[in-house]
Amino acid sequence: EPEVTQTPSHQVTQMGQEVILRCVPISNHLYFYWYRQILGQKVEFLVSFYNNEISEKSEIFDDQFSVERPDGSNFTLKIRSTKLEDSAMYFCASREGTSGGYTDTQYFGPGTRLTVL
Amino acid sequence: QKEVEQNSGPLSVPEGAIASLNCTYSDRGSQSFFWYRQYSGKSPELIMFIYSNGDKEDGRFTAQLNKASQYVSLLIRDSQPSDSATYLCAVNMKGFQKLVFGTGTRLLVSP
Repeated sequence: EPEVTQTPSHQVTQMGQEVILRCVPISNHLYFYWYRQILGQKVEFLVSFYNNEISEKSEIFDDQFSVERPDGSNFTLKIRSTKLEDSAMYFCASREGTSGGYTDTQYFGPGTRLTVL
Repeated sequence: QKEVEQNSGPLSVPEGAIASLNCTYSDRGSQSFFWYRQYSGKSPELIMFIYSNGDKEDGRFTAQLNKASQYVSLLIRDSQPSDSATYLCAVNMKGFQKLVFGTGTRLLVSP
């Protein structure tokens, strides 16, 4: 069964460093998302991406964040200068986008645990 | 006002019992509602979605939606210890692509 994959599974970085989190969405999916979950807290939306551009973003997704689909398979989240409070689990998700939207489910990858020291 | 609210639990039920998980949401324009299961340290795993008022059954799981009351629930019949996890309610509001999650309800099923 197709699944969303993410690498690395765990990333440790120093405050102020840049990190890139990578995702490979399900191959025929058209919509891509990043969410994050700080330990013990709820899953929070960061950004959605469709047709090679951001379609929606949250207040969390400030200028320190960027997303890119550099080729036909990868979808990346870059944090330019990490802060301690960026430590969280980051989930990539994708959905097919062909069934009208509102019954179209998002499938989540296994996540990347980001630890900022 | 929180957009999606869930009782954090834990909800403890014995094996074989029915577990009832509840969720309320604030936006009347919400279109679709999802239940995800999340084991500790893992990613959300879709259980089922519902978008019409009433009940929707899938195996041991039944989702119930009442848009007038802005309420959605998940029933788990014949609960198993492997069902012990956090259950996340997520809502998709009309015009938006994002899912808005509740804080989740922790379910403990004892043998």
